[in-house]
Amino acid sequence: EPEVTQTPSHQVTQMGQEVILRCVPISNHLYFYWYRQILGQKVEFLVSFYNNEISEKSEIFDDQFSVERPDGSNFTLKIRSTKLEDSAMYFCASSDPPYRGGYGYTFGSGTRLTVV
Amino acid sequence: DQQVKQNSPSLSVQEGRISILNCDYTNSMFDYFLWYKKYPAEGPTFLISISSIKDKNEDGRFTVFLNKSAKHLSLHIVPSQPGDSAVYFCAASAPSNTGKLIFGQGTTLQVKP
Repeated sequence: EPEVTQTPSHQVTQMGQEVILRCVPISNHLYFYWYRQILGQKVEFLVSFYNNEISEKSEIFDDQFSVERPDGSNFTLKIRSTKLEDSAMYFCASSDPPYRGGYGYTFGSGTRLTVV
Repeated sequence: DQQVKQNSPSLSVQEGRISILNCDYTNSMFDYFLWYKKYPAEGPTFLISISSIKDKNEDGRFTVFLNKSAKHLSLHIVPSQPGDSAVYFCAASAPSNTGKLIFGQGTTLQVKP
């Protein structure tokens, strides 16, 4: 079964450092997403991406965040200057088309980001 | 932002019995509702969904009921199995082309053998 792959599974970084979280979506999917889950809290939408541009972003997704699809297979989330409160599990997801009912979309296993 | 709420953080049931997980929402514009299951160290896995124009959707042991007037939905698992033990998230989407989902806080289900 096709899956969304995320690397690394765990990243520890110093506060103020830049991090890049990587995702390989399912190959024929066109819509890509990042969500995060702070420990013990709900899964929160960050951003959706289609046709090489952001289609929607949340209030969390401020100027410190950016997304990119640098080639035909990878989808990345960059945090320019990490803060302690950025510590969370970050999930990548993909779908084709955007979820409109029936099957949901596919999440990766997540990257646990720890900012120290 | 509490548009989707799961008020029960945990639920424990005996194997073979029914599990009922509840979810409330506030936004009447939501057009689809979904349930995801999540095991530790894994991403959420899609379980079942329902359109806002329906009141019930069934898939094997899983049934989702939607009560639009009460802005409430529930997931029934019958019969419950130990492998169903996981965190269950309710999620909702509003009409848009972006695919954004709004999640509840999750309910941890434990099915005891």
